[in-house]
Amino acid sequence: GENVEQHPSTLSVQEGDSAVIKCTYSDSASNYFPWYKQELGKRPQLIIDIRSNVGEKKDQRIAVTLNKTAKHFSLHITETQPEDSAVYFCAASVGGSARQLTFGSGTQLTVLP
Amino acid sequence: DGGITQSPKYLFRKEGQNVTLSCEQNLNHDAMYWYRQDPGQGLRLIYYSQIVNDFQKGDIAEGYSVSREKKESFPLTVTSAQKNPTAFYLCASSTTGRGYNEQFFGPGTRLTVL
Repeated sequence: GENVEQHPSTLSVQEGDSAVIKCTYSDSASNYFPWYKQELGKRPQLIIDIRSNVGEKKDQRIAVTLNKTAKHFSLHITETQPEDSAVYFCAASVGGSARQLTFGSGTQLTVLP
Repeated sequence: DGGITQSPKYLFRKEGQNVTLSCEQNLNHDAMYWYRQDPGQGLRLIYYSQIVNDFQKGDIAEGYSVSREKKESFPLTVTSAQKNPTAFYLCASSTTGRGYNEQFFGPGTRLTVL
């Protein structure tokens, strides 16, 4: 089955700096890569996703890149703010009508004021 | 925080007891999922269901059971056979169309075995 590895497990950045979280996946059939943000004590929420026919996607301060050949994808957050502090999970999915997501182990991002 | 709900928020269980976690959604989603979240391990899939009266095992189904008698409901039973049940349990739901179907999560239930 699919295996998703995520790095780093913890990341601290100064407010205003950029943060990058990287994930690799094993199954070349995976074609959907969402990123979820989970604030302390709250449910995970989708913040951005990318499909295998696209190399990059941006949404304001958040961007995701995908390298299908190398089987890795990354989350980029620019101009970080304290409210960006949370656990971020990447995930990968192989096709199917009910898409089963395989999650990475998560990255605890702390934005220091 | 409507859409998908879980109850209770906190649950305590004695060893050897079965316990059932509730998950309800009013999003008219066909698919529902149960995940277990442990510190540093991300979310692991326990069971999922694509349609009423049908469900499949995920990666860590041993010691758990589910039912899907109604589209809106997907309860999870943690049985006494689950060796290490203390964890945070998340339910999710999604559509099952041909597109890319976002999973929406419930607020979770934190289960503690005493």
